[in-house]
Amino acid sequence: DTGVSQDPRHKITKRGQNVTFRCDPISEHNRLYWYRQTLGQGPEFLTYFQNEAQLEKSRLLSDRFSAERPKGSFSTLEIQRTEQGDSAMYLCASSLPLGKSSGANVLTFGAGSRLTVL
Amino acid sequence: AQRVTQPEKLLSVFKGAPVELKCNYSYSGSPELFWYVQYSRQRLQLLLRHISRESIKGFTADLNKGETSFHLKKPFAQEEDSAMYYCAPPTTSGTYKYIFGTGTRLKVLA
Repeated sequence: DTGVSQDPRHKITKRGQNVTFRCDPISEHNRLYWYRQTLGQGPEFLTYFQNEAQLEKSRLLSDRFSAERPKGSFSTLEIQRTEQGDSAMYLCASSLPLGKSSGANVLTFGAGSRLTVL
Repeated sequence: AQRVTQPEKLLSVFKGAPVELKCNYSYSGSPELFWYVQYSRQRLQLLLRHISRESIKGFTADLNKGETSFHLKKPFAQEEDSAMYYCAPPTTSGTYKYIFGTGTRLKVLA
């Protein structure tokens, strides 16, 4: 296991196009998170899953954003009709639940997918 | 809404000087608190969590429930400590939605 993988690493798109990012978490981690980070800011929570269930979604997210984790393993984050304000680094992280190990609840991050909307 | 405040965007210290990175949170329960670090060109990673009560790379953090603070400290800064540091408590009891502060960039000068 090589940790949390994200693909693509960088996506350049034109305004109005749809984009999809993929995240492959560490295999035994059942929680998966999506964050967005812009320059000079900390990671901003978008949503998280426990297994395949999406437990919480930020109210900051518009309906153009959707995330799925159909089999409780990898996840996708789709942005429809992209806007220039969507340009950011999209981070995925995964974690073990409490009780599973001493590393429980610790977020392991991927390298991120950088989105540039022209 | 729950908030995390890291008042300093940039903290510059000389090598060997003590460091304190501040974190205040608005939360009334018993949060599980974390500090994450991002070194240049590396992924965001855990630095330490308060329940483990351990020192990582010489850093410690004490939870002060009265002041709702979780400041990160190191007695003698090293150049390799230069990085972005983020404080991350959860929003409410029983949730695993972790919010992050805006971060503090630590620069350790030779």
